[in-house]
Amino acid sequence: SQQGEEDPQALSIQEGENATMNCSYKTSINNLQWYRQNSGRGLVHLILIRSNEREKHSGRLRVTLDTSKKSSSLLITASRAADTASYFCATGLNTGFQKLVFGTGTRLLVSP
Amino acid sequence: DADVTQTPRNRITKTGKRIMLECSQTKGHDRMYWYRQDPGLGLRLIYYSFDVKDINKGEISDGYSVSRQAQAKFSLSLESAIPNQTALYFCATSDTSGSYNEQFFGPGTRLTVL
Repeated sequence: SQQGEEDPQALSIQEGENATMNCSYKTSINNLQWYRQNSGRGLVHLILIRSNEREKHSGRLRVTLDTSKKSSSLLITASRAADTASYFCATGLNTGFQKLVFGTGTRLLVSP
Repeated sequence: DADVTQTPRNRITKTGKRIMLECSQTKGHDRMYWYRQDPGLGLRLIYYSFDVKDINKGEISDGYSVSRQAQAKFSLSLESAIPNQTALYFCATSDTSGSYNEQFFGPGTRLTVL
């Protein structure tokens, strides 16, 4: 079964609006990462947050992590049409091997 | 990411055929991975390799085999393809030098088994 579940499955917004997507997971993690995938293409790493961190920023991205609730959120501020993509969370597990387990993704559509 | 390349990019084959998907990387990473992506299921790990002599099964290895020919090359084979192996396949790499496992993905191979 999937470790990470993103919510919502799909999100449609206008340019300039903020987009928030959430990820919930089941087991203890070492870190949580967010990836972006443009249609039918490879995933691109966006940001990593460690289990002892609560918030991290990178440009227009803001990631939060709540290990007590086993959840994370990705906020994209001032969205652009070019942000249209699928976004996946991936949890890095404490298995000795840094295994990544991917969620099912959120499809974001940003309309001009 | 041009540092990780996959061939072919698209392949249509018939049930029962043997198929090999190839992955090459110029990032100098030790670790390589094969995933498959199906609609609504995200990415699932098929096999992973720490180095040339170390290969491990992922969560869905049945029906697949791999070969790590060199540090830079990791091939995925379907010995006898079946329709439910129709999917998008990704190769990825990561570095062992850090404590965290950011992965770098190839562009993917779209495989259709008829």
